[in-house]
Amino acid sequence: QSALTQPASVSGSPGQSITISCTGTSSDVGGYNYVSWYQQHPGKAPKLMIYDVSNRPSGVSNRFSGSKSGNTASLTISGLQAEDEADYYCSSYRSSNTYVFGTGTKVTVL
Amino acid sequence: QVQLVQSGAEVKKPGASVKVSCKAYGYTFTSYYMHWVRQAPGQGLEWMGIINPSDGSTSYAQKFQGRLIMTRDTSTSTFYMELSSLRSEDTAVYYCARATTTTTAFDFWGQGTMLTVSS
Repeated sequence: QSALTQPASVSGSPGQSITISCTGTSSDVGGYNYVSWYQQHPGKAPKLMIYDVSNRPSGVSNRFSGSKSGNTASLTISGLQAEDEADYYCSSYRSSNTYVFGTGTKVTVL
Repeated sequence: QVQLVQSGAEVKKPGASVKVSCKAYGYTFTSYYMHWVRQAPGQGLEWMGIINPSDGSTSYAQKFQGRLIMTRDTSTSTFYMELSSLRSEDTAVYYCARATTTTTAFDFWGQGTMLTVSS
């Protein structure tokens, strides 16, 4: 069972916007509106940033937004800040009550 | 507030088994499914399985079928993850992660339990 595909790294300057893609198949990302995104700082547990494609949990900045088109989901971070530098993972439901994570993307703030 | 407190680090020999606990605080235990996720050193997140705390039903990633057992104890609000036939590739941080009400995301995470498998 292969992981969802994410770019290994994305970078941007403070204040800019960046987008991270998450590509799967019609059996996961494309088949369900159950994509979520997680931020992970070094040595810390992941933190939920977006769920069900585009919903933000309480307390998460509105600079984070999610979307989906076909088999590819995207996370956009607008107004990039130094504290956004972290690893980001997508996740999707994949039928029969199983789930899959993306390969992970390292975001660097230049 | 919601808290998931996991058991401490473990060191095991190849072929052994490990049982990691995750005690839940601050919410109704039986109302939220629990996932288990692991992360090998320097690697990405890997979903392992999910358990329904109401009836104990489980669903596991195919990769772990046959050597992974997830259980729960409703009297102590504790979840357990037992992995057997350990090999060096199982060296990782293991997380419990509470499912959202729709079960489709992971909204609260434990602090992680480091498992080292080494002879």
